[in-house]
Amino acid sequence: EVQLVESGGGLVQPGGSLRLSCAGYGFTLSTYWMSWVRQAPGKGLEWVANIKPDGSERYYVDSVKGRFTISRDNADNSLYLQMNSLGVDDTAVYYCARGGARSGYFLYWGQGTLVTVSS
Amino acid sequence: QSVLTQPPSASGTPGQRVTISCSGSSSNIGSNTVNWYQHFPGTAPKLLIYTNNQRPSGVPDRFSGSKSGTSASLAIGGLQSEDEADYYCAAWDDSLKAWVFGGGTKLTVL
Repeated sequence: EVQLVESGGGLVQPGGSLRLSCAGYGFTLSTYWMSWVRQAPGKGLEWVANIKPDGSERYYVDSVKGRFTISRDNADNSLYLQMNSLGVDDTAVYYCARGGARSGYFLYWGQGTLVTVSS
Repeated sequence: QSVLTQPPSASGTPGQRVTISCSGSSSNIGSNTVNWYQHFPGTAPKLLIYTNNQRPSGVPDRFSGSKSGTSASLAIGGLQSEDEADYYCAAWDDSLKAWVFGGGTKLTVL
């Protein structure tokens, strides 16, 4: 059974940093594009970033460029999101999702991890 | 303001057919396939329709998708109370080099 399990969320002050992790189970993460998608309180889904299977291509939503870095460790079947210079607008539930290629789709999702940016 | 435009709400009575629209542009829906997701608050989103009109295993055939030009739509036939959820369309945008989602449509079953 395919499972994605996020961790690393929590409360952080504005300007702070946080690193999210996503562990994949039941499939070989190295063969898939992977993505992060978030949902701010009371708002809709927003794609954050994706990364090619070999890590050679990464794309970001404009609002996080230069602050967030998506990475992966295929040997560990894991995906990461390093978030720096966090602002209150980054408060959201962050979902890890399998997929993200241009012609693809997000078939499997994790349960999400809550990131709260507040002083 | 979302790149893909959806109506914020839709409603219907049990057994009715409801359609949710998703409007985009030549750089997203006009060039790429559209996917639809169902989301119950507090849970993981679920893929409902992929590649414009394909259903993943386990999704009832009451759900169908279509695409024409720069617009797409999701149709739900034989509406049931458990269909009450938020629905999102999504597509890759070649200009932004990003996935874009619609703002979401909250479906109410009256």
